[in-house]
Amino acid sequence: DAGVIQSPRHEVTEMGQEVTLRCKPISGHDYLFWYRQTMMRGLELLIYFNNNVPIDDSGMPEDRFSAKMPNASFSTLKIQPSEPRDSAVYFCASTRGHQPQHFGDGTRLSIL
Amino acid sequence: AQSVTQLDSQVPVFEEAPVELRCNYSSSVSVYLFWYVQYPNQGLQLLLKYLSGSTLVKGINGFEAEFNKSQTSFHLRKPSVHISDTAEYFCAVSEYGGSNYKLTFGKGTLLTVNP
Repeated sequence: DAGVIQSPRHEVTEMGQEVTLRCKPISGHDYLFWYRQTMMRGLELLIYFNNNVPIDDSGMPEDRFSAKMPNASFSTLKIQPSEPRDSAVYFCASTRGHQPQHFGDGTRLSIL
Repeated sequence: AQSVTQLDSQVPVFEEAPVELRCNYSSSVSVYLFWYVQYPNQGLQLLLKYLSGSTLVKGINGFEAEFNKSQTSFHLRKPSVHISDTAEYFCAVSEYGGSNYKLTFGKGTLLTVNP
């Protein structure tokens, strides 16, 4: 089985640019999660979806961040406009119910 | 709300020595407990989980953990570590049953195994 697939693996862009991160969850999983990992704050949950519907977005830092899940096999996390403090590793994870979450390899984002 | 405390940010050990990585949690409800491992430039991989039943849980790569409800702990152990166990380890908790599917992670413990 293919795992959670994230793209791109690395992204370097200049401040003010729009950034779009992509995630393909494991087939059959009905929950999808977006996390951000930094040295200072560790792993933070940004938002999660159930059956493509956003359930909890309380972790989204501000209006510059948005996430969508147009169908069961695809989700995006968008930052517009990007700022240097958004530099981090962003992870996507998926699962069924209370089963353990499966993580992608992450997108390492650098905003210059 | 839940919280997770990993008491050691770094644990250096020698190869073939035993290791224990400590994890304490706080929650007003029953919980599920997990340990994940993260190798450099990779995502998190599940090591083991406690959902119910026996409090001693065995996972992959020879790791095990014991759930202690009275001490609200879920410490991870391995009797003999290898160089390849060098990685960051995360303890995580989620609410038992119910409709809250969020995982709360600890800050992580960097295990360094030296020859």
